[in-house]
Amino acid sequence: GENVEQHPSTLSVQEGDSAVIKCTYSDSASNYFPWYKQELGKGPQLIIDIRSNVGEKKDQRIAVTLNKTAKHFSLHITETQPEDSAVYFCAASQTGTYKYIFGTGTRLKVLA
Amino acid sequence: GAVVSQHPSRVICKSGTSVKIECRSLDFQATTMFWYRQFPKQSLMLMATSNEGSKATYEQGVEKDKFLINHASLTLSTLTVTSAHPEDSSFYICSATTSGGASDTQYFGPGTRLTVL
Repeated sequence: GENVEQHPSTLSVQEGDSAVIKCTYSDSASNYFPWYKQELGKGPQLIIDIRSNVGEKKDQRIAVTLNKTAKHFSLHITETQPEDSAVYFCAASQTGTYKYIFGTGTRLKVLA
Repeated sequence: GAVVSQHPSRVICKSGTSVKIECRSLDFQATTMFWYRQFPKQSLMLMATSNEGSKATYEQGVEKDKFLINHASLTLSTLTVTSAHPEDSSFYICSATTSGGASDTQYFGPGTRLTVL
């Protein structure tokens, strides 16, 4: 079955710096890759997603890149702000199954 | 758009009692809903997939008689934890996908923290 590895598990950056979180998946049939932000005591919120027919997608300070050959995708946050501090989860799934395989999460701390 | 609510947000109960958690899609119809469980500082663990009008599909190791799921309408799914015990204490989160099968995106509710004394 699908397995998703996520690194690093914790990440501390200075405010204004960039943060990069990387995920690797095992099933080449996976073709949908969402990223979620989860604040303490709350449910995950979708922040960006990418499909396998696209190599990169950007939304303001957030971008996701996908390398299908290497089976990895990354989340890039530029100009980080304290409110970006949260746990970030990547996931992989196949169209039509709706079932996600989540990564183990990255706890991002942005230091003011 | 794509807002999912859960009720209650927090519940404390005595061991042996049953607890019902509701998950609603507020502004869209959800043919498929998911129930997850999350322990502190861990990832989300899928418990079951719920389709409107049919029986839920449970993940391996999840007791269907312990965690009863009902998806009676396109906007409501309920999870009932029967005869709850302290080890059932956890953060329960539901998610929903929009109907029609065109989107793979899951929209998550805010979660329900269950504490069993």
